[in-house]
Amino acid sequence: DTGVSQNPRHKITKRGQNVTFRCDPISEHNRLYWYRQTLGQGPEFLTYFQNEAQLEKSRLLSDRFSAERPKGSFSTLEIQRTEQGDSAMYLCASSPFRTSGGANEQFFGPGTRLTVL
Amino acid sequence: KNEVEQSPQNLTAQEGEFITINCSYSVGISALHWLQQHPGGGIVSLFMLSSGKKKHGRLIATINIQEKHSSLHITASHPRDSAVYICAVGGPGTASKLTFGTGTRLQVTL
Repeated sequence: DTGVSQNPRHKITKRGQNVTFRCDPISEHNRLYWYRQTLGQGPEFLTYFQNEAQLEKSRLLSDRFSAERPKGSFSTLEIQRTEQGDSAMYLCASSPFRTSGGANEQFFGPGTRLTVL
Repeated sequence: KNEVEQSPQNLTAQEGEFITINCSYSVGISALHWLQQHPGGGIVSLFMLSSGKKKHGRLIATINIQEKHSSLHITASHPRDSAVYICAVGGPGTASKLTFGTGTRLQVTL
């Protein structure tokens, strides 16, 4: 399967614990996005990478959140000192980036559902 | 006011009906995306368009850039079309990050 994969698919944790999620994009895609979706809402942008560079972070991404893409391939999203409000589906998407400009289709992973007790 | 508004929020149809979901946006965009999300969370891209009309099977998407409005049509709806349909817009910059609507929950019954 050459689609976007995310691990784990589900994570249940206690308030105050740290969690880390992983996203493996489609191999030739140099753009990687993280989104968060709460129940009944559309996803919201968190951050994105072009290769290993983190180019933009949303104000939603508090200092408890950190994301990395160390070699420009897979990415990790870590949440420290989790709070109940962090409970959500965390979605990863990847896309190619063309230097000629224009929009690119994003391919989504299955998401990681986080429940903070 | 959200930057991307969808209507209706919920839609129930009988098998075979023609369905229309609407999306309005208030910002400049590079492209508009229609996405499908099934229970369990997985999102599939249906269309990406910046002008005119696209068709894939029983699905048709149109966009009017001047009016900042797009529609997704499903012809001859089927119960397997039951899902949440999400409109998302990519900004005019190079980031192409998406801003999403809240989705339209469609249920097609026999």
